[in-house]
Amino acid sequence: DIQMTQSPTSLAASVGESVTITCLASEDIYGSLVWYQQKPGKSPQLLIYGATILEDGIPSRFSGSGSDTQYSLKINSLQPEDFASYYCQNGLSTPYTFGAGTKLELK
Amino acid sequence: QVQLKETGPDLVQLTQTLSITCTVSGFSLTTYNVHWVRQPPGKGLEWMGAMWNGGGTDYNSAFKSRLSISRDTSKSQVFLKMNSLQTDDTAKYFCARHGRHTMGITSFFDYWGQGVMVTVSS
Repeated sequence: DIQMTQSPTSLAASVGESVTITCLASEDIYGSLVWYQQKPGKSPQLLIYGATILEDGIPSRFSGSGSDTQYSLKINSLQPEDFASYYCQNGLSTPYTFGAGTKLELK
Repeated sequence: QVQLKETGPDLVQLTQTLSITCTVSGFSLTTYNVHWVRQPPGKGLEWMGAMWNGGGTDYNSAFKSRLSISRDTSKSQVFLKMNSLQTDDTAKYFCARHGRHTMGITSFFDYWGQGVMVTVSS
């Protein structure tokens, strides 16, 4: 199975700041990396797939980058609604493994 | 519009069997794959398995032979059945649709149900 190591586990930031979350795959996943946002009590929401492709309707302050085994999610100019948990997912092969998550909190 | 909705018990007894139904609308099960993902309270997401649009299935080996996924296309329903439940199976169980895109090979989940919280009680 492909292991997904996400960091940091938690992150405190202020509105207007930029943050970056990283995800390391245990093997090359050829850009098949997915990012989700999840708010408390809600279902995950797709943000980015194919490492860099923004899902329709997702604000452009979200961006993804990376290749091979290393990937990142950047959120520019944080808005109040961005404080949530974020998960990366191996989208290459089953089992579709997830990172442990990053909780983004308001400083 | 696309919707998925899970229905199932709130409480299951230890060692018993869990059955959850995912009813979908806005798309066909013969066109899209549907997956099951679970999330223990306060923890991360775990992919459980898939019902492929052609009728085949795929399972996370972590569930060994406890898990079974099936469907009824005439009712637009996908079923999860898992036996020998333990306390660490307490989780919110989601069904999710496998997204489609024209670029690349990435598998992702573009629509999710609201989930059903299942507690395994001793």
